Amino acid sequence: NAGVMQNPRHLVRRRGQEARLRCSPMKGHSHVYWYRQLPEEGLKFMVYLQKENIIDESGMPKERFSAEFPKEGPSILRIQQVVRGDSAAYFCASSPEGFGEQFFGPGTRLTVL
Amino acid sequence: DAKTTQPNSMESNEEEPVHLPCNHSTISGTDYIHWYRQLPSQGPEYVIHGLTSNVNNRMASLAIAEDRKSSTLILHRATLRDAAVYYCIQNRDDKIIFGKGTRLHILP
Repeated sequence: NAGVMQNPRHLVRRRGQEARLRCSPMKGHSHVYWYRQLPEEGLKFMVYLQKENIIDESGMPKERFSAEFPKEGPSILRIQQVVRGDSAAYFCASSPEGFGEQFFGPGTRLTVL
Repeated sequence: DAKTTQPNSMESNEEEPVHLPCNHSTISGTDYIHWYRQLPSQGPEYVIHGLTSNVNNRMASLAIAEDRKSSTLILHRATLRDAAVYYCIQNRDDKIIFGKGTRLHILP
């Protein structure tokens, strides 16, 4: 059973461009979480999704950030008009149910020039 | 904000036991205690969790105080591969609120 997959692993964008981060949860997992980790800091919760639904987006910035988890395909975290402060590692996690152990992917490291 | 308190860093010698403390004085009856760790340049990895009783698994043991206001993660025989940041998390729902964790250094 493959683990949580994230791509790309590294992403470089210029200010003002869009960044799309993908997360494929483990097989059989219908719950997906996104976290952001700034350099030398802990992880910050961003959003929790189930298939086609956003359950908790209390950690998402109000502007430029959006997330989806469609019926088919990976979950997508989208950042529009990126700024230098968006440079961070973005981690996705999945779980088979809405509580308990979360399985994390290797992360996408976004660099905004 | 994270509800737990952990030392910023700890050191241990290789092949010796390590006791990582965590205070969670505001814990309620339905809050679980989870531990995750993050190795350098990797995503977090689940270690163990518990509610009231002590717990053991292949990675570690979790000792929970009787009043549940503190707990200790025990690595029975540390190796160099255990060098990581260890996060103690108090939660009752799906959302994990990470604190700064304890950076564990293992000395060869």
